[in-house]
Amino acid sequence: HVQLEQSGAEVRKPGASVKVSCKTSGYTFINHYMHWVRQAPGQGLEWMGIINPSVGSTSYAQKFQGRVTMTSDTSTGTVYMQLSSLRFEDTAVYYCARDPGLRLVEWFLPDWGQGTLVTVSS
Amino acid sequence: QYALTQPASMSGSPGQSITISCTGTNTDIGAYNYVSWYQQHPGKVPKLLIYAVNNRPSGVSDRFSGSKAANTASLTISGLQPEDEADYYCSSYTSSTPFIFGSGTKVTVL
Repeated sequence: HVQLEQSGAEVRKPGASVKVSCKTSGYTFINHYMHWVRQAPGQGLEWMGIINPSVGSTSYAQKFQGRVTMTSDTSTGTVYMQLSSLRFEDTAVYYCARDPGLRLVEWFLPDWGQGTLVTVSS
Repeated sequence: QYALTQPASMSGSPGQSITISCTGTNTDIGAYNYVSWYQQHPGKVPKLLIYAVNNRPSGVSDRFSGSKAANTASLTISGLQPEDEADYYCSSYTSSTPFIFGSGTKVTVL
């Protein structure tokens, strides 16, 4: 079955960068787009962007343009999300979530990673 | 970054039905059938309840149903049960963002 295993919690200072990984198994990696979603403490879900793991093409929410980079490693079946110039308000749980569409985007999220807490603190 | 509009909270007694609304525009909910709904218990990962407006993944109770009219999508929970107490989020493809979530609704079972 589909498994998305994310990297562990991180603490960073304002202005630093963080890179979160999402290692996949149980399906053909290159056939499914991956989304990244975050949730600040006590807040709602926020979509950050999407990557086509096969070719590495991406689409980012405007809010994160210029600060976020999503990449994929087809040799290990892992996608990454790097967020730079971190601010206190970037403190959140970051999730990877697989799109079920076969080589296309269906825009719903049945499979989620367990989440990675990123804390921005001085 | 805008969000689809949901009521902040709703409540109901066990056995009752409640309907959560999710209001968008003619560039998101009104234009596409890519509406989905998620349930999230405290400290847990979101769970998909409904996709493509009114489709239930296997394993999701048929007490959950979805619909759409114009720019508003709805999630109905029938026969409310204590375990339905959670946060609920809608989402939609949009012509701009291109994907957004709703503001979230906290459901309390009285």
